[in-house]
Amino acid sequence: NAGVMQNPRHLVRRRGQEARLRCSPMKGHSHVYWYRQLPEEGLKFMVYLQKENIIDESGMPKERFSAEFPKEGPSILRIQQVVRGDSAAYFCASSPRQSNYGYTFGSGTRLTVV
Amino acid sequence: AQTVTQSQPEMSVQEAETVTLSCTYDTSESDYYLFWYKQPPSRQMILVIRQEAYKQQNATENRFSVNFQKAAKSFSLKISDSQLGDAAMYFCAYRSVRGYGGSQGNLIFGKGTKLSVKP
Repeated sequence: NAGVMQNPRHLVRRRGQEARLRCSPMKGHSHVYWYRQLPEEGLKFMVYLQKENIIDESGMPKERFSAEFPKEGPSILRIQQVVRGDSAAYFCASSPRQSNYGYTFGSGTRLTVV
Repeated sequence: AQTVTQSQPEMSVQEAETVTLSCTYDTSESDYYLFWYKQPPSRQMILVIRQEAYKQQNATENRFSVNFQKAAKSFSLKISDSQLGDAAMYFCAYRSVRGYGGSQGNLIFGKGTKLSVKP
């Protein structure tokens, strides 16, 4: 039973390009959460999705960032027109419906904007 | 809004000794969950231990145990018989039961404590 799979593990983008980060939740998990970790910081919540629905995007920057979790396929975090400040590790976590346990995290994608 | 504070940016322990990592939090809620996560250099976030606020008994997982003081809003992690593989960043996290911002409850993390284990 594979864990939460994130790819790519490392992503380098030039300023102004688009970044697409992918997350495949654990089998049987229908809830996906995206977090961002800046250097020397803890993880900060960005968005919570269920299949085809955004449940809570209160932590998502208002511009350039979007997320989706389609009926088929992985969840995608999309960052348009990246800037240096977007450089961070982006983590995805998943949980089964109404889980009372800590979420299962992926290994993250480290985005570097040059 | 809930906050989580880890006041020790770095800690060091001798192999086989015991170390305690501190965590305090602020909330007006009475029911919630608290977690400790470990992040080794591989960057994987690994759940170490979990505590429900309504349970008075402190959670224990092998060499890891917590000291949960609800009135003081304190949630420290004790690692006994420290091993080299325990070296990592440790994050304390809070999660509301009812949800935060309308969600099922996202995790609120502290800034972490970097633990070094000396052989």
